[in-house]
Amino acid sequence: QKEVEQDPGPLSVPEGAIVSLNCTYSNSAFQYFMWYRQYSRKGPELLMYTYSSGNKEDGRFTAQVDKSSKYISLFIRDSQPSDSATYLCAGNELGGATNKLIFGTGTLLAVQP
Amino acid sequence: GAVVSQHPSWVICKSGTSVKIECRSLDFQATTMFWYRQFPKQSLMLMATSNEGSKATYEQGVEKDKFLINHASLTLSTLTVTSAHPEDSSFYICSADGIHGELFFGEGSRLTVL
Repeated sequence: QKEVEQDPGPLSVPEGAIVSLNCTYSNSAFQYFMWYRQYSRKGPELLMYTYSSGNKEDGRFTAQVDKSSKYISLFIRDSQPSDSATYLCAGNELGGATNKLIFGTGTLLAVQP
Repeated sequence: GAVVSQHPSWVICKSGTSVKIECRSLDFQATTMFWYRQFPKQSLMLMATSNEGSKATYEQGVEKDKFLINHASLTLSTLTVTSAHPEDSSFYICSADGIHGELFFGEGSRLTVL
């Protein structure tokens, strides 16, 4: 079992839709959780990070962590064609032996105009 | 967010030659940098952790003699692919860590070995 599981998609939605991206993880030691956006042939760009359980909102993006079920989500409101990219979730057991992010495989999102 | 610059962004080389990729943190000091490899439609695979002033820590299965990593200063880490072969063709991405464990990535370097 991979430490971070993510549906690879592709996920296709119409412009303006609410997008829900999800990951599950198995490592109980994870404390920080991140979402990255990666456009084709580019390095990943940090979108949001959250600590432990709870919600965090930034503009059209909301990150949600439920440590009891080991489930992390990213919601995108009013999705735009420019949101089309691969979204990677990641977890980190900061304070462990190494500061090492474990990534999911990424979900490819296509927002249709 | 913090800026990480990677150079070159794109390189083509002949089989058997060596290629150096530079990773710089432009507006902050990075004690630790990470090197990833990404194949098409796959996730990031951590190759090694680069620590300033000490030897890199390589992940299992990564040949340290083939992928030489040097982290000579708090703002620069280099990855040298030695005696490159076509199977080394990939997208190489570096990153530096923030205070909360988040990583800031470079733009990536696409290596094509002919």
